[in-house]
Amino acid sequence: GQQLNQSPQSMFIQEGEDVSMNCTSSSIFNTWLWYKQDPGEGPVLLIALYKAGELTSNGRLTAQFGITRKDSFLNISASIPSDVGIYFCAGFPGGGSEKLVFGKGTKLTVNP
Amino acid sequence: ETGVTQSPTHLIKTRGQQVTLRCSSQSGHNTVSWYQQALGQGPQFIFQYYREEENGRGNFPPRFSGLQFPNYSSELNVNALELDDSALYLCASSADRNYGYTFGSGTRLTVV
Repeated sequence: GQQLNQSPQSMFIQEGEDVSMNCTSSSIFNTWLWYKQDPGEGPVLLIALYKAGELTSNGRLTAQFGITRKDSFLNISASIPSDVGIYFCAGFPGGGSEKLVFGKGTKLTVNP
Repeated sequence: ETGVTQSPTHLIKTRGQQVTLRCSSQSGHNTVSWYQQALGQGPQFIFQYYREEENGRGNFPPRFSGLQFPNYSSELNVNALELDDSALYLCASSADRNYGYTFGSGTRLTVV
């Protein structure tokens, strides 16, 4: 079905470390998006990926749209305390669906 | 450029009541979607409106209904509230149906 399996569920890292999280699906997605959500706020778009194989950076963040269109990863380099939050992958399934499907999130904690 | 604004920010309702949540889309965005986010979960798609017409619906019962107005602002109505309807309701707008959405900060609904 149109589900996104996001891992890991949570991460505890030291400031300055690099972080990697990923999302997989058993079905094809046409667009992959990565969001960050802070407590009491809505998700904020970090990176959008529209083509299979696409690798895109936004400052210290890098994300890739998997070649099979069934996976994506997000890397954060040299983490800082303000990177704390919940990161969600999301995607539009194939077939022109308007339904944006979300993963369950990765909770990131950065220790100074 | 203004972002997506939602009102109210918090709301407490009694089981069986009806509620209307409001959303003002980002300027220039003609597509609005509503999401329900339970605690500790990713957002779940409720429905999408494109140019005032419903353009897709998730697995939510008919007591969840919506409207989009000519100025692209939107409402989410929920009838016969149930305890499980307690959640953060997010509105998101986009310049096109499959682009990355801009989310509002949400309305926290508590049903008692």
